[in-house]
Amino acid sequence: AQTVTQSQPEMSVQEAETVTLSCTYDTSENNYYLFWYKQPPSRQMILVIRQEAYKQQNATENRFSVNFQKAAKSFSLKISDSQLGDTAMYFCAFWEGAQKLVFGQGTRLTINP
Amino acid sequence: DAGVIQSPRHEVTEMGQEVTLRCKPISGHDYLFWYRQTMMRGLELLIYFNNNVPIDDSGMPEDRFSAKMPNASFSTLKIQPSEPRDSAVYFCASSLWTGVNNQPQHFGDGTRLSIL
Repeated sequence: AQTVTQSQPEMSVQEAETVTLSCTYDTSENNYYLFWYKQPPSRQMILVIRQEAYKQQNATENRFSVNFQKAAKSFSLKISDSQLGDTAMYFCAFWEGAQKLVFGQGTRLTINP
Repeated sequence: DAGVIQSPRHEVTEMGQEVTLRCKPISGHDYLFWYRQTMMRGLELLIYFNNNVPIDDSGMPEDRFSAKMPNASFSTLKIQPSEPRDSAVYFCASSLWTGVNNQPQHFGDGTRLSIL
């Protein structure tokens, strides 16, 4: 079974700093998708960024980018120029195409003013 | 688009009572998912539907839990009888199969369920 591991339960940085959240996963599949979801205190689950495993180029969405290392099964999220509104739980998720999203345990990120 | 709509947003009830959670997926989406989120176990997939048909219910914890999708725009998750350990946030999500790949799942705002 696929597993997703987020080794940082909590992180805290100052506003405008860059922060990187780690995620590793385990799978025997070759084709799959990886996601980062953000869950602010409002409880919504918001898709931040997605990466297709067959694409070598790292996905980027404005201040959010990923470092996808397929051989190492690593999928980290980098947030540049962090903002107070980035404070949230961040979940890494793996999707092997059979519809099941497998989530990591989450990283609680706090951006301090 | 209105997004995935869940109701109620909060539910507090006594142990032993029947609880019904509701979900309206995004129009046109053909997959619907029910998740449960707790501090101890994180986000768990309970069940998902494709074109109103349950595909995988292996995550449903017990027979006390049941889910239905009578039509493309409505699904329910029912717990009967409820127990305190069922207290959690329950999310509904939907997604679309484009014929080439699946689009990401869009989540509702969740229902916070408290069983006293």
